[in-house]
Amino acid sequence: SYDLTQPPSVSVSPGQTASIACSGDKLGHRYACWYQQKPGQSPVLVIYEDRKRPSGIPERFSGVNSGNTATLTISATQSSDEADYYCQARDNNTTIFGGGTRLTVL
Amino acid sequence: EVQLVESGGGLVQPGGSLRLSCAASGFIFRSYWMSWVRQAPGKGLEWVASINQDGSEKFYVDSVKGRFTVSRDTAKNSLYLQMNSLRGADTAVYYCARVGALWLNSAWQPYYFDYWGQGTLVTVSS
Repeated sequence: SYDLTQPPSVSVSPGQTASIACSGDKLGHRYACWYQQKPGQSPVLVIYEDRKRPSGIPERFSGVNSGNTATLTISATQSSDEADYYCQARDNNTTIFGGGTRLTVL
Repeated sequence: EVQLVESGGGLVQPGGSLRLSCAASGFIFRSYWMSWVRQAPGKGLEWVASINQDGSEKFYVDSVKGRFTVSRDTAKNSLYLQMNSLRGADTAVYYCARVGALWLNSAWQPYYFDYWGQGTLVTVSS
């Protein structure tokens, strides 16, 4: 089975740039997507097709995917960005999520 | 406005059954793949099942194969998940999600989840 690995936690200071990595075997050969989930809320799609943002998602959110790693970058991080972030890819006819990364804005 | 509203969750004993429903509105339901995704308490997201536009293709995570059945009713704009032989490990919030497609290998392939419902909690316990 295909696995996606994320760090359990990332910390960032307000106004700084946060980067969250997602690793998987030859992940760059697939498309990566990212979701934000705040406590008690449903997940929200923030990046799809490696780097595209759905309407309503701020330009501060960006994504890249190459080699074995996809990365979600949040620039000028705000306290409202504090949340769990999940990467996702597809393998054959199944969908895989990474374990999630808790972003803390200190 | 796209809306997905789940219902049918609750407390059920191990070995029991439950049927979840998801009422969709605000988009052309028959044009989209749909999926169920679950989240155990304090844990991450886990894809459960997906169904194509006319119900002819269905895919499941290995842990629910043979126990869960995904279906849809286009006339009612509704998605369903029939869950049988429930186990404690099935305890989770179950989300209904609309599936976005990407052009891959000369075809539109279901890939990401662009809209999610609010979720319904299923608790399997004696």
